[in-house]
Amino acid sequence: DAKTTQPPSMDCAEGRAANLPCNHSTISGNEYVYWYRQIHSQGPQYIIHGLKNNETNEMASLIITEDRKSSTLILPHATLRDTAVYYCIAIGGSQGNLIFGKGTKLSVKP
Amino acid sequence: NAGVTQTPKFRILKIGQSMTLQCTQDMNHNYMYWYRQDPGMGLKLIYYSVGAGITDKGEVPNGYNVSRSTTEDFPLRLELAAPSQTSVYFCASRAGQGRRYTEAFFGQGTRLTVV
Repeated sequence: DAKTTQPPSMDCAEGRAANLPCNHSTISGNEYVYWYRQIHSQGPQYIIHGLKNNETNEMASLIITEDRKSSTLILPHATLRDTAVYYCIAIGGSQGNLIFGKGTKLSVKP
Repeated sequence: NAGVTQTPKFRILKIGQSMTLQCTQDMNHNYMYWYRQDPGMGLKLIYYSVGAGITDKGEVPNGYNVSRSTTEDFPLRLELAAPSQTSVYFCASRAGQGRRYTEAFFGQGTRLTVV
C-alpha cells in the first residue's frame, strides 16, 4: 500500500471550509484513498473514500487530482465538533490493512 | 445493532500479570483487527484476522497473542504485562466483499495501564 504524507496540524475558523491535503505520489492504479478521523480518544471513524473521481457524502467531499498523486478532504462548514486528527490512507484490494500514519490534527476555532 | 464492543474500558495491571482484552462484533464481518495507540501517536496494527481460524501478525505483535474461534469474537491476550504495553487498544472489523475494500468500524477502546 502506498505511503501518504499529511501536514501535522491545521487550523480552521468555525463555519469556514476546512481543506485537508494528502500526498500519495506512489499510489498504484488499484489503490483507493480512504479518510478516517479520530475525535479526542475515541475509535477512528470512517469519513469517505475514492479511487479517481471526486466523491461527496453527508460528511465531506474528496477531491483527487487527475494524476492521483494527491487529494484533498473538504469539510464544507467546519464546526467545533470537527476538531480531530484526520488520517489519509491508501489501500489496494480487499486484503489491504489500515496502516495509520500520524495524520493531521485539525483545530476548529470559534 | 451494537457494532464493535470492547471490554473492559479501563484496566490497571501489575507488571508480569496477564489479561485478555475482549472484542466482539455483531455485523458478521470477516476481517477483524487489533491496534494500539500510544499517547500522541497514530494507531499501530498488532494482529489481524481474515476469518474464523485465521490470524496473522501486524506491525507490533510482540508480547501479544490472538485467537479467532468464531466470526464474532477476536480476543487479544497479554502475557507477562510490561510497562511498554501501557496504551489504548482498539479493535476494528470490516466486511470482506469480493475484491472491494470496505470501511472499518472501530470499538471505543480499552485504556490499559501497566504499573
